[in-house]
Amino acid sequence: NAGVTQTPKFQVLKTGQSMTLQCAQDMNHNSMYWYRQDPGMGLRLIYYSASEGTTDKGEVPNGYNVSRLNKREFSLRLESAAPSQTSVYFCATSLQGRDTQYFGPGTRLTVL
Amino acid sequence: KNQVEQSPQSLIILEGKNCTLQCNYTVSPFSNLRWYKQDTGRGPVSLTIMTFSENTKSNGRYTATLDADTKQSSLHITASQLSDSASYICVVSASAGANNLFFGTGTRLTVIP
Repeated sequence: NAGVTQTPKFQVLKTGQSMTLQCAQDMNHNSMYWYRQDPGMGLRLIYYSASEGTTDKGEVPNGYNVSRLNKREFSLRLESAAPSQTSVYFCATSLQGRDTQYFGPGTRLTVL
Repeated sequence: KNQVEQSPQSLIILEGKNCTLQCNYTVSPFSNLRWYKQDTGRGPVSLTIMTFSENTKSNGRYTATLDADTKQSSLHITASQLSDSASYICVVSASAGANNLFFGTGTRLTVIP
């Protein structure tokens, strides 16, 4: 029972490159989330998926796209990375929208 | 505007001492409040959840309080241990709206021997 897993753990990109962050959960949760965490700013919601087949924008969606591939997997794509996207990205899941969220270990992304 | 403010930003205490972290919020309508612990390099982990009707809730050496009238919460850590060194994040949930979670920026606690 791995809980919430994220890949990769670390990534360095050059400006303009693209990449996809992967998140998978084995908790049978309905809702999944992508956050970014920057020093002094706390966690900010990028996109979320309340249930399989739905996705919605969060507080800071610009420059990102998401795919809820199935109930287990929720990916975050950066089409053209920018230095402002240097951050630590966390995936989280919850049974339903207002339930306790369970976080993955994070992906540390640096864009040069 | 829905906001969550935590104080202090950082705190250093000696092992074995107690400490209290503060969280003030303006989120409305209020649904619940959670405290998360985030170890360095890890994702946050939930410590407690408090609803409108709850004043106090304990989880081992962690005790959270909630005053819904003044919109304040505190997290008290008793007999601190080195493993308590972490960031503690207050998260308030609104009972309406699609993006209904509001995060504080956290208090960085360092426990020294």
